[in-house]
Amino acid sequence: SQELEQSPQSLIVQEGKNLTINCTSSKTLYGLYWYKQKYGEGLIFLMMLQKGGEEKSHEKITAKLDEKKQQSSLHITASQPSHAGIYLCGADMGDSSYKLIFGSGTRLLVRP
Amino acid sequence: EAGVVQSPRYKIIEKKQPVAFWCNPISGHNTLYWYLQNLGQGPELLIRYENEEAVDDSQLPKDRFSAERLKGVDSTLKIQPAELGDSAVYLCASSQGTSFLRVDEQFFGPGTRLTVL
Repeated sequence: SQELEQSPQSLIVQEGKNLTINCTSSKTLYGLYWYKQKYGEGLIFLMMLQKGGEEKSHEKITAKLDEKKQQSSLHITASQPSHAGIYLCGADMGDSSYKLIFGSGTRLLVRP
Repeated sequence: EAGVVQSPRYKIIEKKQPVAFWCNPISGHNTLYWYLQNLGQGPELLIRYENEEAVDDSQLPKDRFSAERLKGVDSTLKIQPAELGDSAVYLCASSQGTSFLRVDEQFFGPGTRLTVL
């Protein structure tokens, strides 16, 4: 969706390196969800952010929502091959449809 | 607890043939979603059910697509007739539908990969 832009589109990192994925919206975000998808599988929920400035962490993954609520970042510390996959952000844009708009995803490959 | 179940996982058909996908949501989840995911893209909502009522079907191509959730539990998505451009992954998701959030956390099934020849 052009309403929600993810960058980079793809990323190859060496195991142990840190990385950041960004999700930028053209509108204020009422809720921002991060999912991970492996090829041929469904989406696995990672984290949900709602408040400006909010930050959440789970294991080595940290997600933040900026104060203006128009951009979120997902940061992985000391990446491992198990982190490989497609990371998708999904957003509630606050319109009357009450649905998630997804970005195109960031494909992450972690080299051992 | 079992997750969202979808079948079949893969389907190959010739164009103009009908096809149906089945989804069983997580037990107790009132809201059910069908999404379409094209290669290299994020999922796009086709239809959303609250119990047995389709509350958002604005993105469903109604000339060839139909869906039902008769008893408010499992659901079927049908395409008739299928076209080449329908080749994609069809994802089903469910959510409790009872939280204070505008949009609930959604749990996704593994999807059905459709190939139309």
